Amino acid sequence: GDSVTQMEGPVTLSEEAFLTINCTYTATGYPSLFWYVQYPGEGLQLLLKATKADDKGSNKGFEATYRKETTSFHLEKGSVQVSDSAVYFCALSDQGAQKLVFGQGTRLTINP
Amino acid sequence: NAGVMQNPRHLVRRRGQEARLRCSPMKGHSHVYWYRQLPEEGLKFMVYLQKENIIDESGMPKERFSAEFPKEGPSILRIQQVVRGDSAAYFCASSPGTGNSQGGYTFGSGTRLTVV
Repeated sequence: GDSVTQMEGPVTLSEEAFLTINCTYTATGYPSLFWYVQYPGEGLQLLLKATKADDKGSNKGFEATYRKETTSFHLEKGSVQVSDSAVYFCALSDQGAQKLVFGQGTRLTINP
Repeated sequence: NAGVMQNPRHLVRRRGQEARLRCSPMKGHSHVYWYRQLPEEGLKFMVYLQKENIIDESGMPKERFSAEFPKEGPSILRIQQVVRGDSAAYFCASSPGTGNSQGGYTFGSGTRLTVV
């Protein structure tokens, strides 16, 4: 079945550092890919998405490129802030399916 | 637009009691999804409903769990005879309709169930 594997956390960085959180997936079809962010005590918020190969999703300085050849959707940000501290989830939705398959999440802590 | 509303935010039940979790989707959304998040884990799909219909319940435990989305009112996730292993955060998401897997979903803030 479909699955998503994320880089294990927790990840701790200093403010203004470069961030990469790795995400790879397995899917039978041509999935749409998502990154969600969960701040403490809150629900998930859609951060960015990509619906086909080579698409780049971007939002709030975060970017991720849909790489079909490596089945990856790594999240990157050039300069992180303390306010980026949260749990980040990579997810996919297979073509024609309505449900999301999530990775296990990566907890990110940014120190000032 | 109030977004996806879940209540209660926190729910404590003793073993053997029933838990009822409610979800009101965003205005104009007719599709509701329930997910469960165990501590330090990702979200796992439970059930997908449209008004008065269960479309996909492949993630629902076979016993004690049920879900509904009536014509009027919120969607309800019901857990009978709760056990400690049911302690988790339960999230509801909604979307406008079919073909929206490409658009992502809007999630509520969740209900955190603790079974004591």
